[in-house]
Amino acid sequence: QKEVEQNSGPLSVPEGAIASLNCTYSDRGSQSFFWYRQYSGKSPELIMFIYSNGDKEDGRFTAQLNKASQYVSLLIRDSQPSDSATYLCAVNEGSQGNLIFGKGTKLSVKP
Amino acid sequence: DTAVSQTPKYLVTQMGNDKSIKCEQNLGHDTMYWYKQDSKKFLKIMFSYNNKELIINETVPNRFSPKSPDKAHLNLHINSLELGDSAVYFCASSPSRRDTQYFGPGTRLTVL
Repeated sequence: QKEVEQNSGPLSVPEGAIASLNCTYSDRGSQSFFWYRQYSGKSPELIMFIYSNGDKEDGRFTAQLNKASQYVSLLIRDSQPSDSATYLCAVNEGSQGNLIFGKGTKLSVKP
Repeated sequence: DTAVSQTPKYLVTQMGNDKSIKCEQNLGHDTMYWYKQDSKKFLKIMFSYNNKELIINETVPNRFSPKSPDKAHLNLHINSLELGDSAVYFCASSPSRRDTQYFGPGTRLTVL
């Protein structure tokens, strides 16, 4: 059974701090990795994707990938209350290419 | 312009009924998906459909059947609804099977 693991949280950080969200995956054949944000009652929306080992930055967001350790992370700098949401890690399953989602980490940014 | 749309947004029905949820995408994508998000917010793929190839998640009961009249539409038909079918169902699409997926707004199904 291919799995994606995330801490469910809630992760609480003060406004302006760095939020660090982590994810591990079991399928070594995975090639594509995604972070989605889901506000309560809304649909998942893409934050970032990463395909290569290392860091990828987009504004306040940085995705980090380590395929050897089967580990993906998302850093949110200068966290804002509007960042409060559930963050879903998704990994492209190697054989069929379907996305396997983690159960999500709930982030709360306190003003 | 809504990229991925679903109807209805809410669906309340009795056990044993048959219902359908419709999905349309105007992104020109080749691949469409149905996901189920349960009360614990776990998002799990049910089906993917790419160029008339259907990939079924083996855990999905055969009461669920996807129907794709064309590349832009993927509907979900559910027979003999059960209480455990209550969830939010999301449609998604992507350019190809390994690309970024874009989600519709979801359909909240409540089975009484």
